[in-house]
Amino acid sequence: GENVEQHPSTLSVQEGDSAVIKCTYSDSASNYFPWYKQELGKGPQLIIDIRSNVGEKKDQRIAVTLNKTAKHFSLHITETQPEDSAVYFCAATPNSGNTPLVFGKGTRLSVIA
Amino acid sequence: DADVTQTPRNRITKTGKRIMLECSQTKGHDRMYWYRQDPGLGLRLIYYSFDVKDINKGEISDGYSVSRQAQAKFSLSLESAIPNQTALYFCATSDLNRQIGYTFGSGTRLTVV
Repeated sequence: GENVEQHPSTLSVQEGDSAVIKCTYSDSASNYFPWYKQELGKGPQLIIDIRSNVGEKKDQRIAVTLNKTAKHFSLHITETQPEDSAVYFCAATPNSGNTPLVFGKGTRLSVIA
Repeated sequence: DADVTQTPRNRITKTGKRIMLECSQTKGHDRMYWYRQDPGLGLRLIYYSFDVKDINKGEISDGYSVSRQAQAKFSLSLESAIPNQTALYFCATSDLNRQIGYTFGSGTRLTVV
């Protein structure tokens, strides 16, 4: 089955700097790659996703890139703010709609003011 | 009101006791999931259901059972709780289209002593 590796496990950045979180997946058939943000005491919340027919997607300060050949995808957060501090999870599924998401182990991002 | 409601939010139980965690949703989604979150291990799938008559085991189903009482309700049971089932449990929903990804509840923090 699918396996998703996520790095780093913890990341500290200065406010205003950029943050990058990387994930690799094992199943070349995977075609849907969402990213979730989990704030303290809350459930994960979808922040951006990308499908395999797209190489990059942006939404204000966040962007996701996908390299299907290398089987990796990344989350980029620019101009980080203290409210970006949270745990971020990447996920993948090989059969969008019919197979549950497989999640990475998470990255704890701390933005230092 | 929350779209996905989990009860209880916190529970402490003794080893060997039977416990049920409940999840209800107002999203109208047909698909529901139970995930377990442990520090450093990310989100791992316990069980999932694509409709009322469909139940599927996930990665870590041993020691757990589920019941899909209605489209909007999906319960997780621990028949005889053990300490290594101490974790944060999340219910999530999605629809076939999956355009908006999963919607997670706020979680149930379970402690088995």
